[in-house]
Amino acid sequence: EAEVAQSPRYKITEKSQAVAFWCDPISGHATLYWYRQILGQGPELLVQFQDESVVDDSQLPKDRFSAERLKGVDSTLKIQPAELGDSAMYLCASSLRGRSGANVLTFGAGSRLTVL
Amino acid sequence: AQSVTQLDSQVPVFEEAPVELRCNYSSSVSVYLFWYVQYPNQGLQLLLKYLSGSTLVKGINGFEAEFNKSQTSFHLRKPSVHISDTAEYFCAVSLYTGGFKTIFGAGTRLFVKA
Repeated sequence: EAEVAQSPRYKITEKSQAVAFWCDPISGHATLYWYRQILGQGPELLVQFQDESVVDDSQLPKDRFSAERLKGVDSTLKIQPAELGDSAMYLCASSLRGRSGANVLTFGAGSRLTVL
Repeated sequence: AQSVTQLDSQVPVFEEAPVELRCNYSSSVSVYLFWYVQYPNQGLQLLLKYLSGSTLVKGINGFEAEFNKSQTSFHLRKPSVHISDTAEYFCAVSLYTGGFKTIFGAGTRLFVKA
């Protein structure tokens, strides 16, 4: 069964350091999402790509977060510098071409970030 | 503004008892509705979805949900739960705001006791 791959699964870093997360979506899925899930809360959309283009990054803290999907396949989410409040699970998801809200999101296992 | 409200943060229930997890949404446009489940240290998996048609939808693991447009609700039910159903459950809506966006509720932790 096809899966969304994410790495690393766990990352511990000190504040002010840089951290990066990688996501490889299901083959053929044109839409890729990065969500942040703080403990005890639901996932919050950070950025949504359609192929290599950003279609929604309204909730991405652009002073420290960046995301790219250069070839429209895999994607990297970067945080620099990391802050204590960035401790969370970072979830990547993908779906077929997102022209329809009926598209189901398939999630990866997530990358858990702890900032000390 | 669009939002999803899950009315219970935690629901403890005994094994083989029925359970209902409540979800209400607010939106000025038509929405698609989903329930996802998250097991510890894992990503979210789709339980079921409502797109159109019959308001009662069935999903995996014996779960079902009913869409009530007048009450803007999409409650999740299971007639008899198992220990293995212990997990976090998220209600989500997908709506069009210049592009399709999926918004999640805060989640309900279902704890099934023996």
